[in-house]
Amino acid sequence: AQSVTQLDSQVPVFEEAPVELRCNYSSSVSVYLFWYVQYPNQGLQLLLKYLSGSTLVESINGFEAEFNKSQTSFHLRKPSVHISDTAEYFCAVVAGAGSYQLTFGKGTKLSVIP
Amino acid sequence: EAGVAQSPRYKIIEKRQSVAFWCNPISGHATLYWYQQILGQGPKLLIQFQNNGVVDDSQLPKDRFSAERLKGVDSTLKIQPAKLEDSAVYLCASSLGPGIDTQYFGPGTRLTVL
Repeated sequence: AQSVTQLDSQVPVFEEAPVELRCNYSSSVSVYLFWYVQYPNQGLQLLLKYLSGSTLVESINGFEAEFNKSQTSFHLRKPSVHISDTAEYFCAVVAGAGSYQLTFGKGTKLSVIP
Repeated sequence: EAGVAQSPRYKIIEKRQSVAFWCNPISGHATLYWYQQILGQGPKLLIQFQNNGVVDDSQLPKDRFSAERLKGVDSTLKIQPAKLEDSAVYLCASSLGPGIDTQYFGPGTRLTVL
């Protein structure tokens, strides 16, 4: 079975500073990796995903994540955050066999400080 | 395009009572999911439907939880009888197909069991 660990439950960061949200996974088979975001009072929405090909994937609002197979990680980064990035971020994994169930981490609350 | 609709948004009941949640997925989406998100944790899959058939209900507490998706469109999730530990947000999601297709989430139903 697969699992996801998000090492930081809360990350405060000043506006325009860089940020990294960490995500590690465990799985005995190949994986597909996702980051979902939940803005205040809104539903979960997909931010970006890695399915295959280039290990560096980007979102439309400046976030990027890199799939690192040797370190079993899929950390999310942004070089300069905005107030509007304040949200909870969830890393999730689908193992490439069996039921294709989406397994989520516990989430990281990103607070951007003006 | 309309998103995933859920109702009610909030529900407060006493333990041992029953409750039902409703979900209307995005039009044309064959796959529907119900997740449970307990405070401080990531969403956990309860049940997955493909059209009106159950694909995965391995984490559904079948002694008290039931779900159906009649005609392969709307779905209801029922809890009977409710326990204190059922207090959570219940999320419905849909996707075009199973596996790694992007899941679109509804706003959720926040259940409080007293």
